[in-house]
Amino acid sequence: AQTVTQSQPEMSVQEAETVTLSCTYDTSESDYYLFWYKQPPSRQMILVIRQEAYKQQNATENRFSVNFQKAAKSFSLKISDSQLGDAAMYFCAYRSEFTQGAQKLVFGQGTRLTINP
Amino acid sequence: GAVVSQHPSRVICKSGTSVKIECRSLDFQATTMFWYRQFPKQSLMLMATSNEGSKATYEQGVEKDKFLINHASLTLSTLTVTSAHPEDSSFYICSASRFSTDTQYFGPGTRLTVL
Repeated sequence: AQTVTQSQPEMSVQEAETVTLSCTYDTSESDYYLFWYKQPPSRQMILVIRQEAYKQQNATENRFSVNFQKAAKSFSLKISDSQLGDAAMYFCAYRSEFTQGAQKLVFGQGTRLTINP
Repeated sequence: GAVVSQHPSRVICKSGTSVKIECRSLDFQATTMFWYRQFPKQSLMLMATSNEGSKATYEQGVEKDKFLINHASLTLSTLTVTSAHPEDSSFYICSASRFSTDTQYFGPGTRLTVL
């Protein structure tokens, strides 16, 4: 079974600075998807970014970008120019491509990000 | 686009009663919906996956007679917690996807408190 590990329970960063959240995963599959979701205090899960494993190019969404290292099974999230609204719990998630139950998301434990003004 | 709603947002009930939570995809048809449970300061735990018109697939350790899931249409899935007990108190979140390779879009969650 696949597992996702976020080794940083908490992170903090100064407003306008850059922060990187770590995520590693374990799988024997070659085709899969990786996601970063954000859960602010409202607890609404919001998709931040998505990466297809077959794509070598790292995904980017405005101030959010990932460093996808397939061989190392690493998928870190970089937030540039941090804003107060970025404060939230961030979850890394894995999804299979072809196996039975492929739509299931496997979540990491989460990283709580604090933005210091 | 891809908005998912949940109702109610909060519910308090007495021990032994049943509670129904609705999950709706507002602007798309969801072939698959998922139900998660989240304890305070913890990650999401998948309870079950439901496909429209089919029986739900429950994760190991989740009592199917306790947590009844119905996915009667492409826009509505319901989770009924039967004979609720205080240990069922939690935050329940649904998500929906349009097709098998689609991203999951999450509802805002329902906080259940059982007295």
